[in-house]
Amino acid sequence: SQELEQSPQSLIVQEGKNLTINCTSSKTLYGLYWYKQKYGEGLIFLMMLQKGGEEKSHEKITAKLDEKKQQSSLHITASQPSHAGIYLCGADATDSWGKLQFGAGTQVVVTP
Amino acid sequence: KAGVTQTPRYLIKTRGQQVTLSCSPISGHRSVSWYQQTPGQGLQFLFEYFSETQRNKGNFPGRFSGRQFSNSRSEMNVSTLELGDSALYLCASNTGQGRGTQYFGPGTRLTVL
Repeated sequence: SQELEQSPQSLIVQEGKNLTINCTSSKTLYGLYWYKQKYGEGLIFLMMLQKGGEEKSHEKITAKLDEKKQQSSLHITASQPSHAGIYLCGADATDSWGKLQFGAGTQVVVTP
Repeated sequence: KAGVTQTPRYLIKTRGQQVTLSCSPISGHRSVSWYQQTPGQGLQFLFEYFSETQRNKGNFPGRFSGRQFSNSRSEMNVSTLELGDSALYLCASNTGQGRGTQYFGPGTRLTVL
């Protein structure tokens, strides 16, 4: 089965500082999704990356997918309290239509 | 467009009972997927329905079942509840055409006592 590793498990960052979350798959992916979740609530779609080397940005969040389509990073610039939550990467494997496999999640805490 | 809705939002059941959860997808979306989220196992795929047919299935026992109606609304049923079934159950919808983005609902928190 596919392995999807997400790191770090948790992150405490001071407001205004940058942070990076990594997601690594043992297999080549069709696509990689990033979601954000407030504790106990649904997942909010952030970005989807599909092409090797692709990079997307939305407001202060940037996500990248490596050329081999096995590693992705999510970078937040100048973090704000609104960035606090759990970030999850979801892998859409080439041999697995319609089901996403998720990483364990990264809990982000933003301190004043 | 309205997002994915799930009802009820919270449920408390006792062991041995059965439960039915409901999911209404985004208008125009024909695929509905169900996931279970627990602290120990994280988010795990249960099954996916498209055009009233189960198209994909995860590794869960037969106590977990689902169905989809002609209006794309979906229900998930868990029979003979066990303590370990306590979880946040999330449904997600997408258009069903190709590998589209899955949009998630707010979830149903099930507690089994």
